[in-house]
Amino acid sequence: GEDVEQSLFLSVREGDSSVINCTYTDSSSTYLYWYKQEPGAGLQLLTYIFSNMDMKQDQRLTVLLNKKDKHLSLRIADTQTGDSAIYFCAASGGGADGLTFGKGTHLIIQP
Amino acid sequence: IAGITQAPTSQILAAGRRMTLRCTQDMRHNAMYWYRQDLGLGLRLIHYSNTAGTTGKGEVPDGYSVSRANTDDFPLTLASAVPSQTSVYFCASSPARGNEQFFGPGTRLTVL
Repeated sequence: GEDVEQSLFLSVREGDSSVINCTYTDSSSTYLYWYKQEPGAGLQLLTYIFSNMDMKQDQRLTVLLNKKDKHLSLRIADTQTGDSAIYFCAASGGGADGLTFGKGTHLIIQP
Repeated sequence: IAGITQAPTSQILAAGRRMTLRCTQDMRHNAMYWYRQDLGLGLRLIHYSNTAGTTGKGEVPDGYSVSRANTDDFPLTLASAVPSQTSVYFCASSPARGNEQFFGPGTRLTVL
């Protein structure tokens, strides 16, 4: 089945760009998603990219997809303290349950 | 209501007791899911339902059961709670399998 991997922590300075990386194994994944989870809250869909796209930009967020390497990244420009959260990558690989989630990357913002 | 609601928000439960976590969505989504979230383990799928009247087992189904009598509701039952079921439980729904999932606010369950 699908496997989605992310690093557990990323620390950046306020104002810098954050790049959160994700790899997946199922090349048939049609959609790839990024979710944000703030402390004590549920997961909020941030953005997604269709598998036939290389890049998608939405305000401060840029998603890059390298389908050959099965690598997905989320870039957050001008990182703010409000961006501190756990970011989950998810892939719509095979299987009856629909989406496979990574374990999440804790984004830590340093002043 | 709009979106997905879960009840209760939090619960402390004695081991051996039966507990049902409620989940309701008003988006007419076909698919619904239950996850548990534990530190260092991410989200793990417990059970899912691709459409009303059908259910399936996820990654960690043991000790849990679900039903999907209608489109809107997807309750999760712990027949006899054990301490290892202490976790935060999230319900989610999506228009169809593979589409983006929308999450509820979660239920924090502690089993003593």
